Amino acid sequence: EPEVTQTPSHQVTQMGQEVILRCVPISNHLYFYWYRQILGQKVEFLVSFYNNEISEKSEIFDDQFSVERPDGSNFTLKIRSTKLEDSAMYFCASSTGTVTFRREFFGPGTRLTVL
Amino acid sequence: EDQVTQSPEALRLQEGESSSLNCSYTVSGLRGLFWYRQDPGKGPEFLFTLYSAGEEKEKERLKATLTKKESFLHITAPKPEDSATYLCAVQANTGANSKLTFGKGITLSVRP
Repeated sequence: EPEVTQTPSHQVTQMGQEVILRCVPISNHLYFYWYRQILGQKVEFLVSFYNNEISEKSEIFDDQFSVERPDGSNFTLKIRSTKLEDSAMYFCASSTGTVTFRREFFGPGTRLTVL
Repeated sequence: EDQVTQSPEALRLQEGESSSLNCSYTVSGLRGLFWYRQDPGKGPEFLFTLYSAGEEKEKERLKATLTKKESFLHITAPKPEDSATYLCAVQANTGANSKLTFGKGITLSVRP
């Protein structure tokens, strides 16, 4: 079965540094998502992306966050100036966007640790 | 605001002991209710999508049902390999690919 891949699996950074999390969605999918999960808490929606633009974003997704699909295969999440509270597991997901049947495929996640 | 509440938070079963996991939700028009399985340190793995009250779906030892206010994930004769966290999520009818709102999950442990 096709898979969503994410790199790196674990990223450690200092507070205030920029990080870029990378994802390769499934090749024929059209919709891309970022979710995050703080340890012991719910999976939370950050942003959805379709046709090279953001289609929906949450309150969490402020000006410190940005997404990009730079080359038609990768999908990135950038955090410009990391904060301690950004420490979490970040999941990329993709779906075909079929109206009648939606199934999100999640990647294995990137664990971000901000020191 | 869409809300999902799952209960119990944790469930310990003996192998073969059937049980049900509950997901209560409030949403401004339900487009879909999703069940996912999550193993430690991994991403959620899709199990089922339910779209309307009365709908049921089955996969191996799992059966998901849906009413207008809640969904149940029934586990029949569980095995140790069914141990995982089970996540419920809802999608509001605000767009074909609108966000999923997740519950906190139910951690299931099945003892041999």
